[in-house]
Amino acid sequence: NAGVTQTPKFQVLKTGQSMTLQCAQDMNHNSMYWYRQDPGMGLRLIYYSASEGTTDKGEVPNGYNVSRLNKREFSLRLESAAPSQTSVYFCASRGQGNQPQHFGDGTRLSIL
Amino acid sequence: KQEVTQIPAALSVPEGENLVLNCSFTDSAIYNLQWFRQDPGKGLTSLLLIQSSQREQTSGRLNASLDKSSGRSTLYIAASQPGDSATYLCAVSGGTTDSWGKLQFGAGTQVVVTP
Repeated sequence: NAGVTQTPKFQVLKTGQSMTLQCAQDMNHNSMYWYRQDPGMGLRLIYYSASEGTTDKGEVPNGYNVSRLNKREFSLRLESAAPSQTSVYFCASRGQGNQPQHFGDGTRLSIL
Repeated sequence: KQEVTQIPAALSVPEGENLVLNCSFTDSAIYNLQWFRQDPGKGLTSLLLIQSSQREQTSGRLNASLDKSSGRSTLYIAASQPGDSATYLCAVSGGTTDSWGKLQFGAGTQVVVTP
């Protein structure tokens, strides 16, 4: 029962580098989400995908892009990393109706 | 814009005491409210989900209440144990079709249960 799997778990980047965070779920969920968590703050929604083939901006989308590759996979890309993007990134998925979101263990990203 | 507040930010209780965690939100037009647990260095684990039409939900030692009109939810954990030590987060889902599933989180309450 893998649930939501995120890779990598840790990453250090230099300012200006690019990278893609990967997320996959095996629960056949339609909806998938990317959040960031910063110290002293709750999680904030970056982008979400209500279903395969659709993506929409959340609260803090600037500096990020996403791809819903198929029903299982939803990736988050940083095109030109900035120190302000140092954070813990969480991917989540949700089934239909009034269902809870299921979270991965997160990717801890540091940008120097 | 929905704002979610959790007070206190941290609390410490001796083992066996009941825990009471508070969550308040500014917009009562919600789809549901969820309580999560987060252990250090880990992701979030869903504890309870209360639909907007419900007043409470229970699971084992956990009970969560919802008062939409006053914008409040309370999570009760009975007979606390050291294993209950974690950060507890509440989150609300918007009440419009395009905001279902888009969670707005509080900053969390860090709980320490001392043996």
